[in-house]
Amino acid sequence: GAVVSQHPSWVICKSGTSVKIECRSLDFQATTMFWYRQFPKQSLMLMATSNEGSKATYEQGVEKDKFLINHASLTLSTLTVTSAHPEDSSFYICSGLAGAETQYFGPGTRLLVL
Amino acid sequence: AQTVTQSQPEMSVQEAETVTLSCTYDTSESDYYLFWYKQPPSRQMILVIRQEAYKQQNATENRFSVNFQKAAKSFSLKISDSQLGDAAMYFCAYRSSNTGNQFYFGTGTSLTVIP
Repeated sequence: GAVVSQHPSWVICKSGTSVKIECRSLDFQATTMFWYRQFPKQSLMLMATSNEGSKATYEQGVEKDKFLINHASLTLSTLTVTSAHPEDSSFYICSGLAGAETQYFGPGTRLLVL
Repeated sequence: AQTVTQSQPEMSVQEAETVTLSCTYDTSESDYYLFWYKQPPSRQMILVIRQEAYKQQNATENRFSVNFQKAAKSFSLKISDSQLGDAAMYFCAYRSSNTGNQFYFGTGTSLTVIP
């Protein structure tokens, strides 16, 4: 299957700082990428859908000014958590849509805000 | 919005035996895709199997197969000859082929494989 990388895999930051997470499709072009948040033992919660070259579409309840998403190329999307707080601590997963059908997921990023 | 239901929060199976995970969904559409994803302890989501709704034949990938019942809106996953490495969280997912790219995920089934 197609490969998606995510960097960093683990990040610890102080409250009030910003954190950027990169998501790359390594062997395919992803016109659409998704960002999810996952709490322990729960399903994936879609945060936003990003299409290359256009603004991301955020799900209800997700603050677009706090979770900045940029999809500048067909292989790279970034999620920036601005002014992070402890309640933003979570597992963040990105995925790329390969072709018209299937999502392939990155390995996830564990964010801990102290 | 479409809903995907996985009614079994936890399942267990003896190694080498067969287990079936159930999934039902609600949609008014006729054209869509269904997926099973596996999330092991590493938390990397892995595609297990995919089914196109227009195909009557059930998808199969080695030890993994599905029982797709379109009229009943049911999409169960059968794992044959279960292995220790099959232990994971399994998520069923739905995606419309017409209305946008969003995937809808079930709440997951945690599968334990007993040696």
